[in-house]
Amino acid sequence: DAGVIQSPRHEVTEMGQEVTLRCKPISGHDYLFWYRQTMMRGLELLIYFNNNVPIDDSGMPEDRFSAKMPNASFSTLKIQPSEPRDSAVYFCASSPADRVNTGELFFGEGSRLTVL
Amino acid sequence: SQQGEEDPQALSIQEGENATMNCSYKTSINNLQWYRQNSGRGLVHLILIRSNEREKHSGRLRVTLDTSKKSSSLLITASRAADTASYFCATLKAAGNKLTFGGGTRVLVKP
Repeated sequence: DAGVIQSPRHEVTEMGQEVTLRCKPISGHDYLFWYRQTMMRGLELLIYFNNNVPIDDSGMPEDRFSAKMPNASFSTLKIQPSEPRDSAVYFCASSPADRVNTGELFFGEGSRLTVL
Repeated sequence: SQQGEEDPQALSIQEGENATMNCSYKTSINNLQWYRQNSGRGLVHLILIRSNEREKHSGRLRVTLDTSKKSSSLLITASRAADTASYFCATLKAAGNKLTFGGGTRVLVKP
């Protein structure tokens, strides 16, 4: 079975540019999570969706970040404008309803973003 | 601050030795997870231990949980080079679906 698919795997961009990260969750999973991983701050939850509806976006750092889930098989995380401090690995994870309340998430391979 | 904090931050052992890492957390939990992350890859769920359990085994993994001390440990027995990875504990608060990760322990198993 296909796992969580993220694209691009690597992105290098210049400060001020718009960045869009994409995620396809595992089919049938009701929950989708976006995490950011940096050396300094570790893994941080940015936002999560349930049945395509954003439930908690309290981890989104600022208005430059936005996330959407237009349907059950696709989500985007957008940064506009990007800044060097946004450089990180961004992970998407999904989980079915009967696993999410035990904390079992299925992670993608991540999108490594470098903002110059 | 993070809900879970791992100790040590890094661990280097020889193949065949056991690796033990600890996790402390701050608030009440329903359960605790351990995840593994190979370099450059996503996280993979290893094992779940519920708040009413004290010990759990899965293959060469043994997890303990002490809710009175708000701590957990992960033991990897008879380590292999393929166990080289970072290991994270993660906790889910009593309400909600927000999984919070600790800082991780980097384990290097030398052949």
